[in-house]
Amino acid sequence: NAGVTQTPKFQVLKTGQSMTLQCAQDMNHNSMYWYRQDPGMGLRLIYYSASEGTTDKGEVPNGYNVSRLNKREFSLRLESAAPSQTSVYFCASSEDVRGLGYGYTFGSGTRLTVV
Amino acid sequence: AQTVTQSQPEMSVQEAETVTLSCTYDTSESDYYLFWYKQPPSRQMILVIRQEAYKQQNATENRFSVNFQKAAKSFSLKISDSQLGDAAMYFCAYRWPVGKLIFGQGTELSVKP
Repeated sequence: NAGVTQTPKFQVLKTGQSMTLQCAQDMNHNSMYWYRQDPGMGLRLIYYSASEGTTDKGEVPNGYNVSRLNKREFSLRLESAAPSQTSVYFCASSEDVRGLGYGYTFGSGTRLTVV
Repeated sequence: AQTVTQSQPEMSVQEAETVTLSCTYDTSESDYYLFWYKQPPSRQMILVIRQEAYKQQNATENRFSVNFQKAAKSFSLKISDSQLGDAAMYFCAYRWPVGKLIFGQGTELSVKP
């Protein structure tokens, strides 16, 4: 099925460990995004990539790095995990064409717990 | 800066009745899009309805409709004939063309049988 695929779905890390969240889309979208979801705060943008080869910081980038590997893939890396990074992470992509309504397609999310 | 505010952290509705979820936003743009997303316990983000700011007519999708008040910067979601499957977290979101999606804090909707 076409869409956005995120891996893993669940992960537990110890403080200081590193990990990479993987995201891939097969819709030929130009833009890709990483959000984190925390109770009472909605979804907040961590990083985004408007096109292959470009990345920019969002609202809450500290403690994260990203790589736009190619048009399909956009990964999020935690170099040294902290308990404050316990959250649900969503990857999304969008086709930035007016006629398509500018909607996003989301992955199914990764629940990350840092102990 | 654009912001989106959902002032109702929790709402409850009786099955088969109607409920309205509130959303306000702040922007200086005139051309933008507004969305309501549903997030059931599965965590999947599901697009419920979208509204284009330059269209005066309120969007509708089956039992879901919006009341878009551009001057007041208000975008509420009405769910008619509520069903048990409507229980979820609902997010209001804003986007200007080619910009980033900005979310409200969310409203947790429960449906009582």
